[in-house]
Amino acid sequence: KAGVTQTPRYLIKTRGQQVTLSCSPISGHRSVSWYQQTPGQGLQFLFEYFSETQRNKGNFPGRFSGRQFSNSRSEMNVSTLELGDSALYLCASSWVGGNEQFFGPGTRLTVL
Amino acid sequence: QKEVEQNSGPLSVPEGAIASLNCTYSDRGSQSFFWYRQYSGKSPELIMFIYSNGDKEDGRFTAQLNKASQYVSLLIRDSQPSDSATYLCAVNLNTDKLIFGTGTRLQVFP
Repeated sequence: KAGVTQTPRYLIKTRGQQVTLSCSPISGHRSVSWYQQTPGQGLQFLFEYFSETQRNKGNFPGRFSGRQFSNSRSEMNVSTLELGDSALYLCASSWVGGNEQFFGPGTRLTVL
Repeated sequence: QKEVEQNSGPLSVPEGAIASLNCTYSDRGSQSFFWYRQYSGKSPELIMFIYSNGDKEDGRFTAQLNKASQYVSLLIRDSQPSDSATYLCAVNLNTDKLIFGTGTRLQVFP
C-alpha cells in the first residue's frame, strides 16, 4: 500500500510570493491534517480536512489556507510569504481525524 | 500550561539499557495517545498507540498510560544506537486533531 506523498519536496521562494503544497493520502484515508514544523516550535497543527470539509483549524493567520478534493487529495496555500514561514510542512492522513495518523515525507519551504 | 508536555532532553542511555520517555497532558477528556519517532531530517513515524489505562507492549516498545495522573510513557528495552531519534508524544484531546509535544531527543551510545 502506497504511503502518503507530498509534492514538491523542496521549495525556495522569496518574501511576498505565494506557494501551494500538495498531499495525496493513503488510499482509503479520508482525513488529511497539515502541520508546520520548526526547530523552535515543534509540530504545530494547521488544519484538518475530512470529506472536503475543514473541521479544525489551528492558530495560524488567514494567509494559510487549504482545501480537499473529492479524491481526498489536499492542498495548502500560503500567500504573502514571510521569512518566518520557512519550515517543514507535513501532511498526515488517517481513516478519521484524531486517530492514528501517517505522515508524508514533508515539503521543506525556504523563504528568502 | 502546555497541552502536551515532554522533557526536551537529550536523554542519554547506554546500548542495551532501558530508555524511559515521559509525557504529560492537560485535558482529562483525552481519549487516545500516540508515540512517534522522528529521525533527523525525516518525517514522524508512528510506533505505538494506546487507548486504555495500563501497559501495551510491541516488541521492544512498551507504552504505559495512567489517565488518573494524565501521564503516558514509552519504554524502549535493549536500546540500540539506531533508536537515537526524537520521540514525539501526541494526544487526541477528544477532537478530530492530534496535539503534539515538542519531543524528547534520545541518544543511545555504544
